[in-house]
Amino acid sequence: EPEVTQTPSHQVTQMGQEVILRCVPISNHLYFYWYRQILGQKVEFLVSFYNNEISEKSEIFDDQFSVERPDGSNFTLKIRSTKLEDSAMYFCASSEVATSGAYNEQFFGPGTRLTVL
Amino acid sequence: AQSVTQPDIHITVSEGASLELRCNYSYGATPYLFWYVQSPGQGLQLLLKYFSGDTLVQGIKGFEAEFKRSQSSFNLRKPSVHWSDAAEYFCAVGTNTNAGKSTFGDGTTLTVKP
Repeated sequence: EPEVTQTPSHQVTQMGQEVILRCVPISNHLYFYWYRQILGQKVEFLVSFYNNEISEKSEIFDDQFSVERPDGSNFTLKIRSTKLEDSAMYFCASSEVATSGAYNEQFFGPGTRLTVL
Repeated sequence: AQSVTQPDIHITVSEGASLELRCNYSYGATPYLFWYVQSPGQGLQLLLKYFSGDTLVQGIKGFEAEFKRSQSSFNLRKPSVHWSDAAEYFCAVGTNTNAGKSTFGDGTTLTVKP
């Protein structure tokens, strides 16, 4: 069964450094998402992406974050200058194009745990 | 905007006992509802989902959930809990827009007593 994959599974970085989290969505999916889960808290939406542009973003997704589809298979989340509070699990998700009025189920990856020291 | 409330932060049940985890949602249109389970340090595992049709949905690991539109609820149940069910459980609602995000509840931590 096709699945969303994420690399690395765990990333440790120093405060102020840039990190890039990588995701490979399911191959025929066209919508991509990033979510964040701070330890012990709920999963929060960051951003959705379609047709090479951001569809929606939350207030968490400020100027230090960016997303990109650099090629036909990868979807990345870049954090420009990491802060301690960016430590969290980051989940990628993807969904295919739904027919009008139908639900577009999101499939989640296993997550990347980011630790900022 | 949609929202999800899970009223119980922490629930403890004895092994073999029945379980019900509560979830209430707020969304103006047809809701698409999900329950996920998460073990410590792990990813999200989809237990079950409701899109339409029969309001009682069956999931994996013996879980079921019932959608009640009149109560805006989607409670998760299991008739007999196993020690391996101890985990965090998240209810989520999705929207029917193509790039619609999922909104998660705060989660319920389940502890299973021997």
